[in-house]
Amino acid sequence: QITLKESGPRMVKPTQTLTLTCTFSGFSLRATGVGVGWIRQPPGKALEWLALIYWNDDKRYSPSLKSRLTITKDTSKNQVVLTMTNMDPVDTATYYCAHRPRLYNSLDYWGQGTLVTVSS
Amino acid sequence: SYVLTQPPSVSVAPGQTARITCGGNNIESKSVHWYQQKPGQAPVLVVYDDRVRPSGIPERISGSNSGNTATLTISRVEAGDEADYYCQVWESNSDHPMVFGGGTKLTVL
Repeated sequence: QITLKESGPRMVKPTQTLTLTCTFSGFSLRATGVGVGWIRQPPGKALEWLALIYWNDDKRYSPSLKSRLTITKDTSKNQVVLTMTNMDPVDTATYYCAHRPRLYNSLDYWGQGTLVTVSS
Repeated sequence: SYVLTQPPSVSVAPGQTARITCGGNNIESKSVHWYQQKPGQAPVLVVYDDRVRPSGIPERISGSNSGNTATLTISRVEAGDEADYYCQVWESNSDHPMVFGGGTKLTVL
């Protein structure tokens, strides 16, 4: 059974750096083709893809946020970490991590999400 | 970057058929995935690769993809189907590879 869970601060101040951790179980990020992605959703708005990391450490980023994002993995801990620099109130959103299956470019298992509020 | 266009809302009476569209340039050349999101919950994958249902998704939910439009069809709509639905594609050679549509709110009258 695949599960993912996001953790990190519930609130950050403007200009600070956000660090979120996705801890997963039920799969290995050493398995060929597998990936973990991050997606966010501002209150009342649509889903927005942020970043994806693959089993082979290939990384992809949303171009509009690429300069602010870093995604890394620790396969020994079954964790993926997303950092976002220079946070702004418009970055207030629920942040999700999700499993990318081996054969398809979909996201078949999602974490419950964590709401991050950016406020001074 | 590639753009996916969904209607903001679709309304349907219980027992009827809901069709939620996802428009994109030559979308039939891509694999389209669909997610259902109920209030306060994480999205759930309901269709992948245009028309494949993951385990546990009822047969009432189906997908198709032709021309410039992909469609999620929900037959015999129930109150529990009321949710937001998002389409998604992957653009391998794009600088913005994962794209979501803007979402469609399905209201069961």
